[in-house]
Amino acid sequence: AQSVSQHNHHVILSEAASLELGCNYSYGGTVNLFWYVQYPGQHLQLLLKYFSGDPLVKGIKGFEAEFIKSKFSFNLRKPSVQWSDTAEYFCAVKANAGNMLTFGGGTRLMVKP
Amino acid sequence: EAGVAQSPRYKIIEKRQSVAFWCNPISGHATLYWYQQILGQGPKLLIQFQNNGVVDDSQLPKDRFSAERLKGVDSTLKIQPAKLEDSAVYLCASSAHGLPQFFGPGTRLTVL
Repeated sequence: AQSVSQHNHHVILSEAASLELGCNYSYGGTVNLFWYVQYPGQHLQLLLKYFSGDPLVKGIKGFEAEFIKSKFSFNLRKPSVQWSDTAEYFCAVKANAGNMLTFGGGTRLMVKP
Repeated sequence: EAGVAQSPRYKIIEKRQSVAFWCNPISGHATLYWYQQILGQGPKLLIQFQNNGVVDDSQLPKDRFSAERLKGVDSTLKIQPAKLEDSAVYLCASSAHGLPQFFGPGTRLTVL
């Protein structure tokens, strides 16, 4: 069974700092990769996705993620965070051969103004 | 475009009671998912429907959980009887032609 690991459970940054949230998955085959964000009091929203092609994916609000197949990783990055980026971020993986979307445990990001 | 609707938003029950949650997916979305999100964890898939048929229910505790999507649109998830460890947020999501999935606001269940 596939699994997803997000090693940083809590991250605290000051505004304008750079962000990188780690995501590693365990599945040897072809995968679809996702980052979802949950702002306080709101529902899960898709931030970006990778299906195929360019491994550097750009999403909404200045976020991007890089798929590194050899490292089984899909880390989320943003060069300069804002207070409004305070949220919980979830990495998710779907094996191409299956139907199930497997989520990581989430990373809670707090950005100090 | 209207999003995924869920009700109720909050529910408090005592253990051994029954509870039901309702989900209305985005119009035209054939695939519907129910997830359980325990505090501090990521969502875990309970069941996936394609129209009114079950695609995957391998992680659904079938001794107490049941779900249906009789007409291929709305869905209900039931827990009977509830246990303390069922306290969680129950998320419904829908998608067209697979992914990505769009999530509803969830139902927060507290079992006392």
